[in-house]
Amino acid sequence: KQEVTQIPAALSVPEGENLVLNCSFTDSAIYNLQWFRQDPGKGLTSLLLIQSSQREQTSGRLNASLDKSSGRSTLYIAASQPGDSATYLCAVSGNTPLVFGKGTRLSVIA
Amino acid sequence: DVKVTQSSRYLVKRTGEKVFLECVQDMDHENMFWYRQDPGLGLRLIYFSYDVKMKEKGDIPEGYSVSREKKERFSLILESASTNQTSMYLCASLRAGRDNEQFFGPGTRLTVL
Repeated sequence: KQEVTQIPAALSVPEGENLVLNCSFTDSAIYNLQWFRQDPGKGLTSLLLIQSSQREQTSGRLNASLDKSSGRSTLYIAASQPGDSATYLCAVSGNTPLVFGKGTRLSVIA
Repeated sequence: DVKVTQSSRYLVKRTGEKVFLECVQDMDHENMFWYRQDPGLGLRLIYFSYDVKMKEKGDIPEGYSVSREKKERFSLILESASTNQTSMYLCASLRAGRDNEQFFGPGTRLTVL
């Protein structure tokens, strides 16, 4: 059964810092990996989707990488801002519905 | 842009009431999902549907049922609400195929008293 782990569970950084969020999964037979952002009390917003054949995807200050063979993905956030404060979740898709990690709660301090 | 809407942002019900949570998507997606999200437990899949009138149990279907009479609408039903069903409920939709993004609604915060 696929399991997704995100470390750390929480992270606090000063504004302007570059940071990396980690996601690992146990079964490398995935179709794609998706990163989401969730603000408190709200739904999930899709940030990036990486297909299994891709190594990375970029959107603005966000860059997500995927190493399928090692079961790892990272979300890199450049020049962090207080508005980036949220919970970030990764999820993997295979022949079952998306399996989610529990997220990393990010606080960017001004 | 894909839009997934949920009928209520906040809902307060009493134990034993029948509760309907409605979800509508406007992008003709085949697949729809209901999750609940609780602190420390993450997102847990309740039910999903890959076509009209089709449904599949997720990880925690007990105490819930669903209905999908039209492609754009997926309803979650709590036949007799209990306090342990107090939670955030999230609906999502997904176009069929391997490399499509899943989109979520804004969530319904349900409190059962």
